[in-house]
Amino acid sequence: NAGVTQTPKFQVLKTGQSMTLQCAQDMNHNSMYWYRQDPGMGLRLIYYSASEGTTDKGEVPNGYNVSRLNKREFSLRLESAAPSQTSVYFCASSDLQDGQPQHFGDGTRLSIL
Amino acid sequence: DAKTTQPTSMDCAEGRAANLPCNHSTISGNEYVYWYRQIHSQGPQYIIHGLKNNETNEMASLIITEDRKSSTLILPHATLRDTAVYYCIVILWGATNKLIFGTGTLLAVQP
Repeated sequence: NAGVTQTPKFQVLKTGQSMTLQCAQDMNHNSMYWYRQDPGMGLRLIYYSASEGTTDKGEVPNGYNVSRLNKREFSLRLESAAPSQTSVYFCASSDLQDGQPQHFGDGTRLSIL
Repeated sequence: DAKTTQPTSMDCAEGRAANLPCNHSTISGNEYVYWYRQIHSQGPQYIIHGLKNNETNEMASLIITEDRKSSTLILPHATLRDTAVYYCIVILWGATNKLIFGTGTLLAVQP
């Protein structure tokens, strides 16, 4: 029972490089989310996908793009990484039925030099 | 979505009940109260949620005041493994179900 799986777990990039963070869920959830968490702070929503084929901006979308590849997978892309994007990135999924909680992955720790 | 206010930190002795308060004075009638926790930078873990009635599950109890302006998460017998940041979140379920995290309460369970 994997739940939400994120890859990679750790990554170091140089400024200007690009990369894609992968997220997959096996719970048949409709909605998926990407958050970032900076030291000492709560999570902030970057982008979300309420259902397959739709994506919308969250609180801090600048510098990121997303793709809802299918119902299981939701990727986050950094086109030109900046040191300000050094953070821990969490993916989550949920159903849209009332009361259903979000389930989170273990995170990707990203450092940009 | 209503904002929440939580203490920055709390201590609790191992084996005792931990009572974590949350104020949400602007909550509307159809907004749920959710509790998550985050242990040492792992992904947040869902604990419990409620709308109007008190709720209990295998992890915790949630007590919501009658006016719904505040709530308390109760861990009945805290262990060292319960040391974590606890987040109280109020959310209106609908098309997106977006969670808005504050800074939470750091609960330190002491041996």
